[in-house]
Amino acid sequence: QVQLVESGGGLVKPGGSLRLSCAASGFTFSDYYMSWIRQAPGKGLEWVSYISSSGSTIYYADSVKGRFTISRDNAKNSLYLQMNSLRAEDTAVYYCARIRGELGLDYWGQGTLVTVSS
Amino acid sequence: QSVLTQPPSVSGAPGQRVTISCTGSSSNIGAGYDVHWYQQLPGTAPKLLIYGNSNRPSGVPDRFSGSKSGTSASLAITGLQAEDEADYYCQSYGVFGGGTKLTVL
Repeated sequence: QVQLVESGGGLVKPGGSLRLSCAASGFTFSDYYMSWIRQAPGKGLEWVSYISSSGSTIYYADSVKGRFTISRDNAKNSLYLQMNSLRAEDTAVYYCARIRGELGLDYWGQGTLVTVSS
Repeated sequence: QSVLTQPPSVSGAPGQRVTISCTGSSSNIGAGYDVHWYQQLPGTAPKLLIYGNSNRPSGVPDRFSGSKSGTSASLAITGLQAEDEADYYCQSYGVFGGGTKLTVL
């Protein structure tokens, strides 16, 4: 069965960095676009970034452009999100999700909490 | 302010039918992009409920249905059950609605 397991969240000071990871299993990882979605406490969903199956196509939300970098290692079945220059407004649960069709998200991980606070 | 507009809340009694609207624009839904719907139970990750406007993934009851017309889409839930109490989100291309909290009375 498809499984996505995020890790790497935690408490970080404003201006700091974190690297999130998402370990995928149960499907051919290299066949799928993948994404990061976040949800601030008590708020709705926000698309952060997505990456094509080969890594050649990448999208970032304006709110993270220039600060976050998405990447993947198909040999390790893993997705990553490098987050730099973190701000308080980046505090959220970050979900890894698999993309099917026209950017539908058919499987989600359990999420990892990132808290940016001094 | 989300790009896709949903009502903040809807409610219904067990067994009733409720609908949740999702209004977009010519930049997203109206441009022909598919609409997807997600259900988020309290304290859990979102789950795909409807994809490609009106398709249900395996395991989703046929009480849930989706439709799309012009720049809007709708999610309908019939035979409302207590377990349907959750937040529901629409999504078209790279944008989400603000979410709708469904309360089962």
